Amino acid sequence: EFVLTQSPGTLSLSPGERATLSCRASPGVSSSYIAWYQQKPGQAPRLLISGASTRATGIPDRFTGSGAGTDFTLTISRLEPEDFALYYCQHAATFGGGTKVEIK
Amino acid sequence: QVQVVQSGAEVKKPGASVKVSCTASGYRFTGYHVHWVRQAPGQGLEWMGRNNPQNGGTDYAQKFQGRVTMTADTSNNTAYMELSRLRSDDTAVYYCARGDKYYWMDVWGQGTTVTVSS
Repeated sequence: EFVLTQSPGTLSLSPGERATLSCRASPGVSSSYIAWYQQKPGQAPRLLISGASTRATGIPDRFTGSGAGTDFTLTISRLEPEDFALYYCQHAATFGGGTKVEIK
Repeated sequence: QVQVVQSGAEVKKPGASVKVSCTASGYRFTGYHVHWVRQAPGQGLEWMGRNNPQNGGTDYAQKFQGRVTMTADTSNNTAYMELSRLRSDDTAVYYCARGDKYYWMDVWGQGTTVTVSS
């Protein structure tokens, strides 16, 4: 059974801090199928990263995707107030459970 | 402007069917898949399936096999998702999204709330 696990469930940080979100795939997968989304309350998800590391159109460069095989990471270098939201990773037809980035 | 616009909210009784539409504009409709994703209240995202408007091909999540039908009408750039035999746990926001062969979804609809209640 394929499983996509995101951690932590919640990340409490202050504006300006660095956020590191993890997405683990079991078994390992092709990076081509890995994407990251941001979702704010009452809104549709927004594509941030595709192919594990390519920023989508209009996404600021403080968002960086990396990883291969089983371990993938979304890093937000310096949190802006608008970055506090839910983040989902995706591999093909499977979404992770999400990580909430909240203001500390 | 590239966008997809969905039909309005629905309230259905258990056992009924619902059909949600998704109208695309600003891009070549037949050049991309249309994916359907749902989100139950307070829950995460759940992929339901996708449709290829170019050839009508579909790919459904096993959970929805036999209950969901995804179609597309290229004459009006509109995709449809019909879910039958509704249950209360089908209450959710249903999203359509433009996607490519790797399942990335880069343009999302505003969501359609489907409420199943007796």
